[in-house]
Amino acid sequence: AQTVTQSQPEMSVQEAETVTLSCTYDTSESDYYLFWYKQPPSRQMILVIRQEAYKQQNATENRFSVNFQKAAKSFSLKISDSQLGDAAMYFCAYRSYNQGGKLIFGQGTELSVKP
Amino acid sequence: NAGVTQTPKFQVLKTGQSMTLQCAQDMNHEYMSWYRQDPGMGLRLIHYSVGAGITDQGEVPNGYNVSRSTTEDFPLRLLSAAPSQTSVYFCASSSLESWSVDTQYFGPGTRLTVL
Repeated sequence: AQTVTQSQPEMSVQEAETVTLSCTYDTSESDYYLFWYKQPPSRQMILVIRQEAYKQQNATENRFSVNFQKAAKSFSLKISDSQLGDAAMYFCAYRSYNQGGKLIFGQGTELSVKP
Repeated sequence: NAGVTQTPKFQVLKTGQSMTLQCAQDMNHEYMSWYRQDPGMGLRLIHYSVGAGITDQGEVPNGYNVSRSTTEDFPLRLLSAAPSQTSVYFCASSSLESWSVDTQYFGPGTRLTVL
């Protein structure tokens, strides 16, 4: 069975600085997808970024980028130029290639942004 | 286009009571899922469906039933509520299209308390 681990329950960053959230996963599959979701206090789940395992190039979405290390089974999220609105719970998630609708989530990392 | 809707937003039950959490989507998505979110544990999959008439168990199915009679609706039934089912419940949907990298759309969540 696949597992996702986020070992940082809480992180803090100064506004305008850069922060990296860690995620590791375990799987025996070669084809899969990885995601980072943001959950602000409103509880809404917002997709931040996604990565296809077969792509070597790291995904980037504006200030958000990932460092995908397939051999190490590592998928970290880097937030550049942090903003107050980035404060939220961040979840790393895994999905098998042919298992749509089945996401496996990590425990989450609570990110606070200091002005 | 309302996306994924869930009702109710909040619910308090007594141990042993039954109830149904409603979930509906208007995006004609094939996949629908139910997750529960507990502190420190991320989101865990309860049940999911790949289409009308087809459901399957997720990671934590005990105490819950689902059915999928239409593409739009995917209700979650608690047969006999227990305090361990106190949680926040999220419904999600996504497309079956092979080119779609599973952008799961989440509902706003239902906060359930079982006394």
